[in-house]
Amino acid sequence: DADVTQTPRNRITKTGKRIMLECSQTKGHDRMYWYRQDPGLGLRLIYYSFDVKDINKGEISDGYSVSRQAQAKFSLSLESAIPNQTALYFCATSDARVSNQPQHFGDGTRLSIL
Amino acid sequence: AQSVAQPEDQVNVAEGNPLTVKCTYSVSGNPYLFWYVQYPNRGLQFLLKYITGDNLVKGSYGFEAEFNKSQTSFHLKKPSALVSDSALYFCAVRDWDTGRRALTFGSGTRLQVQP
Repeated sequence: DADVTQTPRNRITKTGKRIMLECSQTKGHDRMYWYRQDPGLGLRLIYYSFDVKDINKGEISDGYSVSRQAQAKFSLSLESAIPNQTALYFCATSDARVSNQPQHFGDGTRLSIL
Repeated sequence: AQSVAQPEDQVNVAEGNPLTVKCTYSVSGNPYLFWYVQYPNRGLQFLLKYITGDNLVKGSYGFEAEFNKSQTSFHLKKPSALVSDSALYFCAVRDWDTGRRALTFGSGTRLQVQP
């Protein structure tokens, strides 16, 4: 089983719909992140959470919200999806107990908004 | 502010030849630097990192990277490329002096190794 699991892996939906992307991890890490990947732009940080009560906006949080339901679960919501939110979305985790450990990524959710 | 530049969208190299993927960074303090690789339909995988110490860092799959503070660079290298190294490579930085708590990623460089 994957350490960082994202569901769904692919989603096609219509403009204006509410969408939730889910991320769960079995690594026991405190820190979790949501990124979006667009061609030529690399990965951009949407939100990050350093524990259940510590949630922070990233560089592109407008139009998105998150919920950290438990240490192992971090979900990303698009309240009213728009076409320019079509992208590949990644969840990542890292271990707070050791300084500067690398992030561990899920396999991504490919989201298309028509 | 912290930023990363990967000046090449794509790098082409013949199998068996050495490869270099370039990365330059900008931070106000001291950098923590990372390289990740992404294969098709997969998430990013960690290759190596520089925190402090030796400027030459060795990582997974025979990759290494050289930290150069004066040139603010952290280029990824491998002495002999394999076709299986073909993938998308990302450099990332965090400024540990500012207390900023998240990484900034570059735009990625696609490495194509020809047989």
